[in-house]
Amino acid sequence: EVQLVESGGAVLQPGGSLRLSCAASGFTFEKYAMHWVRQSPGKGLEWVSLISWDGRSIYYADSVKGRFTISRDNSKNSLYLQMNNLRPEDTAFYYCAKEGRLDDYQFYYIDVWGKGTAVAVSS
Amino acid sequence: ENLMTQSPAILSAFPGERATLSCRASHSVGTDLAWYQQKPGQAPRLLIYDASSRATGVPGRFSGSGSGTEFTLTISSLQSEDLAVYYCQQYHNWPPYSFGQGTKMEI
Repeated sequence: EVQLVESGGAVLQPGGSLRLSCAASGFTFEKYAMHWVRQSPGKGLEWVSLISWDGRSIYYADSVKGRFTISRDNSKNSLYLQMNNLRPEDTAFYYCAKEGRLDDYQFYYIDVWGKGTAVAVSS
Repeated sequence: ENLMTQSPAILSAFPGERATLSCRASHSVGTDLAWYQQKPGQAPRLLIYDASSRATGVPGRFSGSGSGTEFTLTISSLQSEDLAVYYCQQYHNWPPYSFGQGTKMEI
């Protein structure tokens, strides 16, 4: 069974830093691109970032560019999101998600989502 | 950015009825469109990809159609477990991957 398990969510003050992790299992992690998607309380889905299977292609939403860094460790079947200079508007549930299609540097839809981890930024 | 607009925001219907949810893109996305279902307190789940292909395990009452800028998700015979928010997402013009604001399905 394909599983994605996020961890690292916390409550912190504006300007703080946090690193989210995602442990993947049940599929060949090193072959697939991965995404982070977030959802603010009571709101819709916002795509945050994606990383190609080998880490060579990385993209960010404008709202997090320059503050967030996505990375992966294929030897550990793990995905990460380093979040710096956090703002109240970054408060959200953060989902780790698996790319649905195998392709080197083209990206498509998400076919598996983790249960998410909560990040709250407040003074 | 390709803006995705869903309508209606809320759709109420009775079990057994047919429900039609719409998604419009501000620029053509071909058939690079997915639909997701998010039940209360759960993560989203992929229903439809490539505008009309059902994901593994998705019941046959869910179908997708459309191309270009106009798309439809149809639930042919509503079940109580279909209570959820439904999101469309385009993957034609990226980044960013843009989601619609969602349609809340009330049964």
